[in-house]
Amino acid sequence: GDSVTQMEGPVTLSEEAFLTINCTYTATGYPSLFWYVQYPGEGLQLLLKATKADDKGSNKGFEATYRKETTSFHLEKGSVQVSDSAVYFCALSDPSGGSNYKLTFGKGTLLTVNP
Amino acid sequence: DTGVSQNPRHKITKRGQNVTFRCDPISEHNRLYWYRQTLGQGPEFLTYFQNEAQLEKSRLLSDRFSAERPKGSFSTLEIQRTEQGDSAMYLCASSPPMNQPQHFGDGTRLSIL
Repeated sequence: GDSVTQMEGPVTLSEEAFLTINCTYTATGYPSLFWYVQYPGEGLQLLLKATKADDKGSNKGFEATYRKETTSFHLEKGSVQVSDSAVYFCALSDPSGGSNYKLTFGKGTLLTVNP
Repeated sequence: DTGVSQNPRHKITKRGQNVTFRCDPISEHNRLYWYRQTLGQGPEFLTYFQNEAQLEKSRLLSDRFSAERPKGSFSTLEIQRTEQGDSAMYLCASSPPMNQPQHFGDGTRLSIL
Protein backbone atom coordinates (compact mmCIF):
# COMPACT_ATOMS: atom_id res chain seq x y z
CA GLY A 1 0.00 0.00 0.00
CA ASP A 2 0.88 3.65 -0.07
CA SER A 3 3.33 4.99 2.51
CA VAL A 4 5.23 8.16 3.37
CA THR A 5 8.54 8.28 5.23
CA GLN A 6 9.86 11.55 6.54
CA MET A 7 12.95 12.36 8.53
CA GLU A 8 12.76 11.80 12.24
CA GLY A 9 12.71 14.81 14.46
CA PRO A 10 12.93 16.83 16.42
CA VAL A 11 14.84 19.38 14.39
CA THR A 12 16.21 22.40 16.23
CA LEU A 13 17.60 25.36 14.31
CA SER A 14 18.64 28.90 14.97
CA GLU A 15 16.74 31.74 13.33
CA GLU A 16 17.82 32.39 9.70
CA ALA A 17 19.24 28.87 9.32
CA PHE A 18 18.51 26.71 6.25
CA LEU A 19 15.88 24.02 6.66
CA THR A 20 15.53 20.68 4.91
CA ILE A 21 13.01 18.02 5.93
CA ASN A 22 13.32 14.87 3.86
CA CYS A 23 10.27 13.00 2.59
CA THR A 24 10.08 9.90 0.40
CA TYR A 25 7.00 8.00 -0.67
CA THR A 26 5.73 4.70 -2.03
CA ALA A 27 2.60 4.71 -4.16
CA THR A 28 0.89 2.47 -6.68
CA GLY A 29 -0.02 5.20 -9.14
CA TYR A 30 0.93 8.82 -9.69
CA PRO A 31 0.12 10.59 -6.45
CA SER A 32 -0.30 14.22 -5.59
CA LEU A 33 2.08 15.30 -2.83
CA PHE A 34 1.49 17.73 0.01
CA TRP A 35 3.16 19.35 2.98
CA TYR A 36 0.88 20.24 5.88
CA VAL A 37 1.88 22.22 8.98
CA GLN A 38 0.37 21.88 12.45
CA TYR A 39 0.87 24.62 15.01
CA PRO A 40 0.36 23.78 18.69
CA GLY A 41 -3.29 23.22 19.55
CA GLU A 42 -4.45 23.66 15.98
CA GLY A 43 -5.49 21.50 13.06
CA LEU A 44 -3.46 20.90 9.93
CA GLN A 45 -2.95 23.66 7.40
CA LEU A 46 -1.94 23.06 3.82
CA LEU A 47 1.51 24.53 3.26
CA LEU A 48 2.14 23.55 -0.36
CA LYS A 49 1.36 20.90 -2.94
CA ALA A 50 2.55 19.39 -6.22
CA THR A 51 0.43 17.26 -8.50
CA LYS A 52 2.88 15.89 -11.07
CA ALA A 53 6.53 15.10 -11.57
CA ASP A 54 8.93 18.07 -11.57
CA ASP A 55 6.26 20.42 -10.18
CA LYS A 56 7.54 22.77 -7.51
CA GLY A 57 5.18 23.79 -4.74
CA SER A 58 5.96 26.96 -2.82
CA ASN A 59 4.41 29.08 -0.10
CA LYS A 60 5.64 31.43 2.64
CA GLY A 61 9.27 30.88 1.60
CA PHE A 62 8.96 27.08 1.74
CA GLU A 63 9.56 24.99 -1.38
CA ALA A 64 9.35 21.33 -2.36
CA THR A 65 9.91 19.67 -5.75
CA TYR A 66 8.13 16.48 -6.85
CA ARG A 67 10.94 14.09 -7.85
CA LYS A 68 9.49 10.97 -9.44
CA GLU A 69 12.87 9.39 -10.11
CA THR A 70 13.79 9.44 -6.43
CA THR A 71 10.18 9.30 -5.13
CA SER A 72 10.91 12.31 -2.96
CA PHE A 73 9.32 15.60 -1.96
CA HIS A 74 11.80 17.29 0.38
CA LEU A 75 10.75 20.50 2.12
CA GLU A 76 13.21 23.42 2.15
CA LYS A 77 13.35 26.98 3.39
CA GLY A 78 16.31 29.28 3.05
CA SER A 79 15.92 31.23 6.29
CA VAL A 80 13.64 29.99 9.07
CA GLN A 81 11.92 32.19 11.62
CA VAL A 82 10.80 31.51 15.18
CA SER A 83 7.22 31.56 13.90
CA ASP A 84 7.99 28.51 11.71
CA SER A 85 8.18 26.33 14.82
CA ALA A 86 5.56 23.63 14.29
CA VAL A 87 5.09 20.00 13.23
CA TYR A 88 5.42 19.39 9.50
CA PHE A 89 3.69 16.47 7.76
CA CYS A 90 4.40 15.10 4.32
CA ALA A 91 1.38 13.43 2.70
CA LEU A 92 0.20 11.88 -0.53
CA SER A 93 -3.09 11.33 -2.28
CA ASP A 94 -3.08 8.42 -4.71
CA PRO A 95 -5.90 8.43 -7.28
CA SER A 96 -5.18 4.83 -8.26
CA GLY A 97 -6.77 3.85 -4.95
CA GLY A 98 -10.15 5.03 -6.17
CA SER A 99 -11.80 8.41 -6.31
CA ASN A 100 -11.74 9.15 -2.61
CA TYR A 101 -8.39 11.00 -2.63
CA LYS A 102 -7.74 10.10 1.00
CA LEU A 103 -4.44 11.31 2.42
CA THR A 104 -1.62 9.08 3.64
CA PHE A 105 0.65 10.93 6.07
CA GLY A 106 4.18 10.58 7.36
CA LYS A 107 4.78 10.62 11.11
CA GLY A 108 5.57 14.31 11.22
CA THR A 109 8.73 16.28 12.01
CA LEU A 110 8.80 18.72 14.92
CA LEU A 111 10.72 21.87 14.08
CA THR A 112 11.84 24.26 16.80
CA VAL A 113 13.46 27.54 15.79
CA ASN A 114 15.35 29.43 18.48
CA PRO A 115 15.94 33.20 18.38
CA ASP B 1 -15.22 30.65 4.04
CA THR B 2 -15.67 29.96 7.73
CA GLY B 3 -13.47 26.88 7.74
CA VAL B 4 -14.13 23.38 9.04
CA SER B 5 -15.64 23.42 12.53
CA GLN B 6 -15.39 20.56 15.01
CA ASN B 7 -17.14 20.19 18.35
CA PRO B 8 -16.35 19.65 21.08
CA ARG B 9 -12.66 20.62 21.15
CA HIS B 10 -11.99 18.34 24.08
CA LYS B 11 -13.91 15.37 25.45
CA ILE B 12 -13.02 13.51 28.64
CA THR B 13 -15.00 10.40 29.39
CA LYS B 14 -14.83 7.19 31.36
CA ARG B 15 -14.02 3.90 29.72
CA GLY B 16 -17.14 2.18 28.46
CA GLN B 17 -19.09 5.35 27.76
CA ASN B 18 -20.35 6.42 24.34
CA VAL B 19 -19.15 9.66 22.75
CA THR B 20 -20.22 11.60 19.67
CA PHE B 21 -18.26 14.23 17.77
CA ARG B 22 -19.59 16.68 15.21
CA CYS B 23 -17.96 18.16 12.11
CA ASP B 24 -19.33 21.04 10.05
CA PRO B 25 -17.45 21.19 6.73
CA ILE B 26 -16.97 24.18 4.49
CA SER B 27 -20.39 24.71 2.96
CA GLU B 28 -19.63 24.07 -0.71
CA HIS B 29 -17.45 21.00 -0.04
CA ASN B 30 -19.12 17.71 -0.92
CA ARG B 31 -16.28 15.49 0.30
CA LEU B 32 -15.76 14.86 4.01
CA TYR B 33 -13.08 12.81 5.73
CA TRP B 34 -12.40 11.64 9.28
CA TYR B 35 -8.86 10.91 10.48
CA ARG B 36 -7.41 9.82 13.81
CA GLN B 37 -4.11 11.14 15.13
CA THR B 38 -2.30 9.63 18.09
CA LEU B 39 0.61 11.25 19.90
CA GLY B 40 3.71 11.45 17.79
CA GLN B 41 2.04 10.04 14.69
CA GLY B 42 0.58 11.42 11.52
CA PRO B 43 -3.17 11.35 10.96
CA GLU B 44 -4.63 8.02 9.80
CA PHE B 45 -7.63 7.77 7.52
CA LEU B 46 -10.85 6.49 9.09
CA THR B 47 -13.69 7.12 6.64
CA TYR B 48 -14.84 9.17 3.66
CA PHE B 49 -18.18 10.64 2.58
CA GLN B 50 -19.17 12.03 -0.78
CA ASN B 51 -22.31 14.01 -0.09
CA GLU B 52 -24.37 11.76 2.21
CA ALA B 53 -22.88 8.48 0.99
CA GLN B 54 -20.16 6.80 3.08
CA LEU B 55 -17.94 5.40 0.33
CA GLU B 56 -14.99 4.01 2.24
CA LYS B 57 -14.17 2.83 5.75
CA SER B 58 -10.72 1.97 7.02
CA ARG B 59 -10.00 -1.26 8.84
CA LEU B 60 -9.18 1.02 11.78
CA LEU B 61 -12.90 1.73 12.06
CA SER B 62 -14.04 -1.13 14.27
CA ASP B 63 -17.70 -2.01 14.76
CA ARG B 64 -17.74 0.30 17.80
CA PHE B 65 -17.31 3.27 15.48
CA SER B 66 -20.05 4.69 13.30
CA ALA B 67 -20.14 7.81 11.17
CA GLU B 68 -23.01 9.54 9.46
CA ARG B 69 -23.52 12.52 7.21
CA PRO B 70 -27.26 13.04 6.91
CA LYS B 71 -28.30 15.35 4.08
CA GLY B 72 -24.68 15.68 3.00
CA SER B 73 -23.95 18.55 5.35
CA PHE B 74 -22.51 18.05 8.85
CA SER B 75 -21.14 14.71 9.97
CA THR B 76 -21.04 12.86 13.27
CA LEU B 77 -18.59 10.25 14.49
CA GLU B 78 -19.79 8.05 17.35
CA ILE B 79 -17.68 5.70 19.42
CA GLN B 80 -19.52 3.17 21.54
CA ARG B 81 -18.11 1.47 24.64
CA THR B 82 -14.94 3.56 24.56
CA GLU B 83 -11.60 1.93 25.34
CA GLN B 84 -8.25 3.37 26.48
CA GLY B 85 -6.88 2.90 23.00
CA ASP B 86 -9.48 5.28 21.60
CA SER B 87 -7.68 8.23 23.21
CA ALA B 88 -6.56 10.37 20.27
CA MET B 89 -7.21 13.52 18.30
CA TYR B 90 -10.06 13.04 15.82
CA LEU B 91 -9.70 15.28 12.79
CA CYS B 92 -12.29 16.15 10.18
CA ALA B 93 -11.44 17.48 6.74
CA SER B 94 -13.46 18.57 3.73
CA SER B 95 -12.70 19.30 0.10
CA PRO B 96 -14.47 20.31 -3.09
CA PRO B 97 -15.09 17.82 -5.92
CA MET B 98 -12.10 16.30 -7.74
CA ASN B 99 -8.57 16.16 -6.44
CA GLN B 100 -8.44 19.37 -4.44
CA PRO B 101 -6.58 19.86 -1.15
CA GLN B 102 -8.38 18.97 2.03
CA HIS B 103 -9.12 21.62 4.66
CA PHE B 104 -8.85 20.44 8.25
CA GLY B 105 -10.69 21.42 11.40
CA ASP B 106 -8.90 21.91 14.71
CA GLY B 107 -9.90 18.44 15.86
CA THR B 108 -11.58 16.89 18.89
CA ARG B 109 -9.20 15.55 21.51
CA LEU B 110 -10.65 12.48 23.25
CA SER B 111 -9.27 11.38 26.61
CA ILE B 112 -10.45 8.14 28.19
CA LEU B 113 -10.12 7.88 31.96
